[in-house]
Amino acid sequence: AQSVAQPEDQVNVAEGNPLTVKCTYSVSGNPYLFWYVQYPNRGLQFLLKYITGDNLVKGSYGFEAEFNKSQTSFHLKKPSALVSDSALYFCAVRDGGSQGNLIFGKGTKLSVKP
Amino acid sequence: NAGVMQNPRHLVRRRGQEARLRCSPMKGHSHVYWYRQLPEEGLKFMVYLQKENIIDESGMPKERFSAEFPKEGPSILRIQQVVRGDSAAYFCASSPTDRWSADTQYFGPGTRLTVL
Repeated sequence: AQSVAQPEDQVNVAEGNPLTVKCTYSVSGNPYLFWYVQYPNRGLQFLLKYITGDNLVKGSYGFEAEFNKSQTSFHLKKPSALVSDSALYFCAVRDGGSQGNLIFGKGTKLSVKP
Repeated sequence: NAGVMQNPRHLVRRRGQEARLRCSPMKGHSHVYWYRQLPEEGLKFMVYLQKENIIDESGMPKERFSAEFPKEGPSILRIQQVVRGDSAAYFCASSPTDRWSADTQYFGPGTRLTVL
């Protein structure tokens, strides 16, 4: 069975500092990995995805994520956080070898303080 | 290019009433997914539809819930005889091709259902 874990309910970062939001996954086949961001009372916005190829994926708003197969992780990163990055971040995974559904983590609330 | 549209954005129903949630996918997308988000939780898959076909409804409760995606018009998620536990945010997503592909699912703004 496929699953995804976001071990931190909340991450607090000072503006200008680097941020990391953690995600680990479990699938039987090749993983398709996604990051989405949700602002209050809004839908999910797609940030980036990893399907194949380069392990470092660059996405919207200066975010990037690194696929690490040995650690089954796909952590979201940004070199310099902005207050406007404060939101709820979801990692999602799908088994690329099947018709399985997209499975979401519980989300990590990112709070960036000025 | 308009994104995924959902309406209404907020819906209040009394216990026992019916709730109808509508979703118009992005232009060119013929695959629709419905998810439910309970407070403090991630999104849970409910149902996956293509035009006029339900492909996978494994995440949808067997009773009171139904979904359709007709040849013309939006996809509809219907909840009959709502109960307080149905209160949640319901999100629709669409993609241009099917689940075998690596296509991104794009989400609508959601419908927040409150059952009194």
